[in-house]
Amino acid sequence: GAVVSQHPSRVICKSGTSVKIECRSLDFQATTMFWYRQFPKQSLMLMATSNEGSKATYEQGVEKDKFLINHASLTLSTLTVTSAHPEDSSFYICSARDLSGIAYEQYFGPGTRLTVT
Amino acid sequence: AQSVTQLGSHVSVSEGALVLLRCNYSSSVPPYLFWYVQYPNQGLQLLLKYTSAATLVKGINGFEAEFKKSETSFHLTKPSAHMSDAAEYFCAVSDGQGGKLIFGQGTELSVKP
Repeated sequence: GAVVSQHPSRVICKSGTSVKIECRSLDFQATTMFWYRQFPKQSLMLMATSNEGSKATYEQGVEKDKFLINHASLTLSTLTVTSAHPEDSSFYICSARDLSGIAYEQYFGPGTRLTVT
Repeated sequence: AQSVTQLGSHVSVSEGALVLLRCNYSSSVPPYLFWYVQYPNQGLQLLLKYTSAATLVKGINGFEAEFKKSETSFHLTKPSAHMSDAAEYFCAVSDGQGGKLIFGQGTELSVKP
């Protein structure tokens, strides 16, 4: 149980285009999902907290208009990188918190590798 | 504010040797502490967690960690390293309420044959 999927696993896009990454909780409902960004050989940095049916809460320094987050259902959150640039190339990981589970438990997706050319 | 410091960005051990990965935390509230492992180009897998119950926590793959409040530490150990343990390890802290995880810088574990 407690499986989180991400799609796509890898994406290459051209500079100036937008790309959408999906995060799904497959076997549980998630009121809260988290989006992280990880540069090579570095740790995970929390970008935003996504709550179902409400606006995401962004961490300081994260551009809201560039990283659009939508959490339209209890099993799906999406991250859209708008007008992507090479510096947005990174590994994006989502996690989800089980609605019926323990408050502090997070289950991580496998990540999405974004490359902007 | 909470924070985590992992001492040593890279640790190298021989196969069969003791693994010790260090983690110190800072928290103004009783912390929830976690160790995760990440293999290349993959997400995070939970190894073990401390949630204010037993201070010695046993996890998967033979790993364990001990919560020491007096030292604000939560070091990860494994008695005998295996080649498959080579990966990146992250220590993380949470206040348990909002669910936000604060990660350490990570420690890359190499295992020599």
